[in-house]
Amino acid sequence: DARVTQTPRHKVTEMGQEVTMRCQPILGHNTVFWYRQTMMQGLELLAYFRNRAPLDDSGMPKDRFSAEMPDATLATLKIQPSEPRDSAVYFCASGLPRKGEAFFGQGTRLTVV
Amino acid sequence: DAKTTQPPSMDCAEGRAANLPCNHSTISGNEYVYWYRQIHSQGPQYIIHGLKNNETNEMASLIITEDRKSSTLILPHATLRDTAVYYCIVGRETSGSRLTFGEGTQLTVNP
Repeated sequence: DARVTQTPRHKVTEMGQEVTMRCQPILGHNTVFWYRQTMMQGLELLAYFRNRAPLDDSGMPKDRFSAEMPDATLATLKIQPSEPRDSAVYFCASGLPRKGEAFFGQGTRLTVV
Repeated sequence: DAKTTQPPSMDCAEGRAANLPCNHSTISGNEYVYWYRQIHSQGPQYIIHGLKNNETNEMASLIITEDRKSSTLILPHATLRDTAVYYCIVGRETSGSRLTFGEGTQLTVNP
């Protein structure tokens, strides 16, 4: 059963610390998305990649967030330094162009204290 | 991408059909209608999508009006496990499923 895997599932960290979230997209999917969900803002697109190249990261605070795909099986989202307002659930999704559907992981729940 | 409008909440009795409406009056000719749902504490789940013809799969049916300005997602026999937030999204398939989520409809299926 192919699925998007995200680690860790939960993360509690202190303000100022670096946070790294990882995502393993479904094998063969060449489009990867990062979303953030909060009660106030709902689901927001942070960045997305096609064939490991960033296509759009306009939703991401550039000064502290960075997203990369070191290889086709791993996507990372880093926050440095983290702030309490970054507390949210971060979702990764993968898909294929022209297929219309994106498959979401279970998310990483981040709490910055 | 075109904007969508959905009712904030709906109720449905278990075993009955759930009909979730969505307005997308500014949809353009090459934009698809997608439906996703999010069960509490889980990631969003794809349900169905279509361009102009009605579509059906094992989860649901999608009815798109002829002018494409609105659509209805039908869950034919709702169960308690269908309680979730349902999102109607309009977007171009060629964009690789870049999705802009609105607030969705909270569907509650009651026993």
